[in-house]
Amino acid sequence: KAGVTQTPRYLIKTRGQQVTLSCSPISGHRSVSWYQQTPGQGLQFLFEYFSETQRNKGNFPGRFSGRQFSNSRSEMNVSTLELGDSALYLCASSAGANTEAFFGQGTRLTVV
Amino acid sequence: SQQGEEDPQALSIQEGENATMNCSYKTSINNLQWYRQNSGRGLVHLILIRSNEREKHSGRLRVTLDTSKKSSSLLITASRAADTASYFCATGPRSNTGFQKLVFGTGTRLLVSP
Repeated sequence: KAGVTQTPRYLIKTRGQQVTLSCSPISGHRSVSWYQQTPGQGLQFLFEYFSETQRNKGNFPGRFSGRQFSNSRSEMNVSTLELGDSALYLCASSAGANTEAFFGQGTRLTVV
Repeated sequence: SQQGEEDPQALSIQEGENATMNCSYKTSINNLQWYRQNSGRGLVHLILIRSNEREKHSGRLRVTLDTSKKSSSLLITASRAADTASYFCATGPRSNTGFQKLVFGTGTRLLVSP
């Protein structure tokens, strides 16, 4: 069974630009959640999607948004990038609540 | 913000020794999961333990959960240099029943020397 695939692996963007990250979950998994990892704040929950619906959102500004498609693939978008958005963005795939969450390799975003 | 704290923050041992990492959390949970991360890459799922379980094993890994103390421990037996990584606990809070949201601890950096 293929794992969770995140693309791209690395991104360098300029302040003020926007970026879209992609996540393909494990086949059959309908829940996709996103996390941001930084040295200062650690791993923080961004949002979770299930069957194309956002079910929960973390404490991040509205510049951070996401969506999920009918095939369960998910994208997250960050608009008007700030230097502080530089982080490792991780996507997790699961069958639903109270089940194992499997992570992708992450997208390393650098904002310059 | 992170709910959990892990102890110790860093651990250095020799190959063949056992490594124990502890995780404490603040609220009632449905489950607790342990992950390994190598050099800022993705998280590798190690084990999930549910709130009605007290102990689980997987190969060289042993996880315990004490919900009365809101704590968990991960034991790696007969450690190898390849076990060098950061280890995180992540809880699925009971208040989040119905959707998947993990709250991570601060992590333990394990260094296993040959």
